[in-house]
Amino acid sequence: LAKTTQPISMDSYEGQEVNITCSHNNIATNDYITWYQQFPSQGPRFIIQGYKTKVTNEVASLFIPADRKSSTLSLPRVSLSDTAVYYCLVGDSAGNKLTFGGGTRVLVKP
Amino acid sequence: SQTIHQWPATLVQPVGSPLSLECTVEGTSNPNLYWYRQAAGRGLQLLFYSVGIGQISSEVPQNLSASRPQDRQFILSSKKLLLSDSGFYLCAWSASGPPTVQFFGPGTRLTVL
Repeated sequence: LAKTTQPISMDSYEGQEVNITCSHNNIATNDYITWYQQFPSQGPRFIIQGYKTKVTNEVASLFIPADRKSSTLSLPRVSLSDTAVYYCLVGDSAGNKLTFGGGTRVLVKP
Repeated sequence: SQTIHQWPATLVQPVGSPLSLECTVEGTSNPNLYWYRQAAGRGLQLLFYSVGIGQISSEVPQNLSASRPQDRQFILSSKKLLLSDSGFYLCAWSASGPPTVQFFGPGTRLTVL
């Protein structure tokens, strides 16, 4: 299983862009990169998924360099409600064993 | 659309008592099912996953067990709870095949006293 490394925490302010980088040096050829958001006492919620280059949806962008050994989740213009823990996952080829690391605790300040 | 249910939402149990947590999924068939545990302030630990009825894979040896009696039903059990079993238990499902996106239930907060 590809192990992921993320910063433990990050602080930001309303309206700023937040970028969270995840390292996954031993990512396998068939692995996808997936990010989740979790609020206290709730289950994680899917944010975005990608394989290479750049993926964008209505809430975030995911940047993946050519070597795929890292990825960066970008949250544009964060608000107080974006305060949460963000998890980066890299799955095996069958997708059954997605491993959650410790996540990054993002605090958005007014 | 698909929905996932867990119950109960909260549970307080004495040490040594049995446990049964239930998870059901609606709106999909043959899902992969997962049980996770999250200790306070920590990440998620995968406990069990299942790719089909009666097929259970255990990730962490412990006093918990899981069963999948029906396609969209996943049960987490214990014969005798330990203090260390306290935590937030989450059930999740994903469609079969890669790439995998897991969808989580609301969770069960278990406190063992």
